[in-house]
Amino acid sequence: DSGVTQTPKHLITATGQRVTLRCSPRSGDLSVYWYQQSLDQGLQFLIQYYNGEERAKGNILERFSAQQFPDLHSELNLSSLELGDSALYFCASSVEMGLNEQFFGPGTRLTVL
Amino acid sequence: GQQVMQIPQYQHVQEGEDFTTYCNSSTTLSNIQWYKQRPGGHPVFLIQLVKSGEVKKQKRLTFQFGEAKKNSSLHITATQTTDVGTYFCAVNSGNTPLVFGKGTRLSVIA
Repeated sequence: DSGVTQTPKHLITATGQRVTLRCSPRSGDLSVYWYQQSLDQGLQFLIQYYNGEERAKGNILERFSAQQFPDLHSELNLSSLELGDSALYFCASSVEMGLNEQFFGPGTRLTVL
Repeated sequence: GQQVMQIPQYQHVQEGEDFTTYCNSSTTLSNIQWYKQRPGGHPVFLIQLVKSGEVKKQKRLTFQFGEAKKNSSLHITATQTTDVGTYFCAVNSGNTPLVFGKGTRLSVIA
C-alpha cells in the first residue's frame, strides 16, 4: 500500500459523458501527478500540481482538466469522453516537485462504451 | 520533448536465467528512476540514479547509469517468478517532469 488513494476503482460510462477521478496523496506529500496508461502508449504524463498550483503539463487534452484543493487532494475531470479515452488513470504523489520518487495509487480503470 | 527508448519490449526467460533491460536517451539526463509494475498493479519505485557511472544493487537487481548519463540498465540475476512484471525507466533533464519509457514486460517460465 503506497498511501495514495484513488476513487473510483472502476468507471464505465458512455461516449460524450463527463467523469471525475479523485486522488488523495500520501500524508505530507505536496506534489500530485496524473498519468494515463493505455496498452500501447505506456505511462503518459498528463499534469502535475504542487501545493495547489499547476506546475507542469504534459500531453493533456483540452477536454481534460485537473485541480488540487487546499487539503491537497486532486481531481481529474474528463469531458466529452471518446472511446479512445478508455485507459488506466494513475495518480502519484511525491514530497516535493523535484527529483523525488513518486508513489502511485492503485489507479482508476475507465471504460468508455 | 524528452524521449526515452526502452528495450526490449518483451522478454521471456526460464526461471534462473538472467534478464537485462536497457533505457536510452538522446539527451543528457539529470537522473533516472526505475519502477516495477506487477500485472494488475501500479508502478512501484525501485531506485534512482543520479551520478555518472553509478552502480547500485538491490539483492539480485543491479542498476547502472552510463558514464555519459544518457543510458541505463537494470539487470536481474537468476530470475524468479516473483520478478514477473513490467519494468519502466523514467527520466528527466533539469526540472522537466518525469518521462516514462514504454517498459519491458518480463515473463518468467517456471
